[in-house]
Amino acid sequence: QQPVQSPQAVILREGEDAVINCSSSKALYSVHWYRQKHGEAPVFLMILLKGGEQKGHEKISASFNEKKQQSSLYLTASQLSYSGTYFCGSGPYYGGSQGNLIFGKGTKLSVKP
Amino acid sequence: DTEVTQTPKHLVMGMTNKKSLKCEQHMGHRAMYWYKQKAKKPPELMFVYSYEKLSINESVPSRFSPECPNSSLLNLHLHALQPEDSALYLCASSQDPGAGSEQFFGPGTRLTVL
Repeated sequence: QQPVQSPQAVILREGEDAVINCSSSKALYSVHWYRQKHGEAPVFLMILLKGGEQKGHEKISASFNEKKQQSSLYLTASQLSYSGTYFCGSGPYYGGSQGNLIFGKGTKLSVKP
Repeated sequence: DTEVTQTPKHLVMGMTNKKSLKCEQHMGHRAMYWYKQKAKKPPELMFVYSYEKLSINESVPSRFSPECPNSSLLNLHLHALQPEDSALYLCASSQDPGAGSEQFFGPGTRLTVL
C-alpha cells in the first residue's frame, strides 16, 4: 500500500520552516526520506526504524510514530538548496519480516529567495 | 566510496533493438535494485537482488531481463520494448535487503523508446 504524503506542494521563503507528513495504512518497520532534484537521482536523507533507531543527515530531523504509522520530516531555516521533491518510503512489516520500500507520491518543495 | 554508477546516461532505442543497462557499486552492499521512474512520479520497484539472487520481481514484463553477474554489478537487458517503457531507470543498492537499510541511488539511465 502506497504511503500518503502531505502536502503535495509547498512554497517557502528562505529561512522559513516546513513539515512534510507521511502516513501508511499498514504496519511499518521503517520510514525512509529522500530528496530528488530535477533530472537527478533521489538522495537519502533519513531512515527511521521501528524501535526508535534513526540515521541521517545532521541538519535534517524527522519523527516516526509507530502506533499511528506516521512520519514527519522537519525542514528548519530552509535554504535554496532544499528545493526539490521529497519522497517518503514506507518499509512494511509482515509479522517479523521486512518488505521492500514503497514510495509515496512526493511533496514538491520550492524555496524562494 | 559511496557511489553507485550507471551507464549509459541516455539511451534511445527502437522497438526491435536489444540493449543493456549497467549498474555498479563498490560499497560491499548485499542488495541491489532496479526502479523505473516516470516524470513527476515516484520510483517504482522492478527487481530486487539479494546476495546476488533475484528475490523480487514486481510483475515486470519479460521484455525486461535482469542479471547480477557478481556482487558489484547489476545489468538490465532490454528487448522489444514499447514506447510506454520510456522512463528514467534507476539502480540502487543497500547494505542489507529489505527496508531496514538506506538505499543509495545511481544517477539513472534516461531511456527513450521510439
